Amino acid sequence: AQTVTQSQPEMSVQEAETVTLSCTYDTSESNYYLFWYKQPPSRQMILVIRQEAYKQQNATENRFSVNFQKAAKSFSLKISDSQLGDTAMYFCAFMKRYGGSQGNLIFGKGTKLSVKP
Amino acid sequence: DTAVSQTPKYLVTQMGNDKSIKCEQNLGHDTMYWYKQDSKKFLKIMFSYNNKELIINETVPNRFSPKSPDKAHLNLHINSLELGDSAVYFCASSPGLEPTDTQYFGPGTRLTVL
Repeated sequence: AQTVTQSQPEMSVQEAETVTLSCTYDTSESNYYLFWYKQPPSRQMILVIRQEAYKQQNATENRFSVNFQKAAKSFSLKISDSQLGDTAMYFCAFMKRYGGSQGNLIFGKGTKLSVKP
Repeated sequence: DTAVSQTPKYLVTQMGNDKSIKCEQNLGHDTMYWYKQDSKKFLKIMFSYNNKELIINETVPNRFSPKSPDKAHLNLHINSLELGDSAVYFCASSPGLEPTDTQYFGPGTRLTVL
């Protein structure tokens, strides 16, 4: 079974600063994807970024980038130039590529990020 | 022009009642999901449907029954509600089951069982 662990229940950062959210996972799968989802106070879950395990290059989406360390099973999210609108719960998630239960996102428990003015 | 919509947004009911939550997507997606987020914000998949067929049915009580009348709708019916069913329920949809098929979530339905 796969597990996703986010060890930081809460974090805060000053506006315009950089913050890194941690995520580790455990799996015996060799082909999988990792995700970061954002849940702002409005409750709507929004995909932030996606990484394929077979790609060595770290994914980036504007101010959001990941540090994917496959051997260490680590997948951290870096938010640069933090904005007030980044205040949200951030969930790390795992999905295996093959072998049934496709489409099944396995989530961590989330990190609550507060961006302070 | 809401992509994934759920009704109602809030639902307060008594133990033992039966209730339904409706979900509709206008994205033309083939796959729809139900997730449960508990009071500690832990989010877990309950069901997924692909082309109106059940694909994932995680270990949920059989009091929960999904119904998909067509590809654009996936409703969740809950019988004999219990206190532990109180949670936020999210519907989602995606083009397919691939990890590259982004899942789009609805706004959630907060269910409170008294």
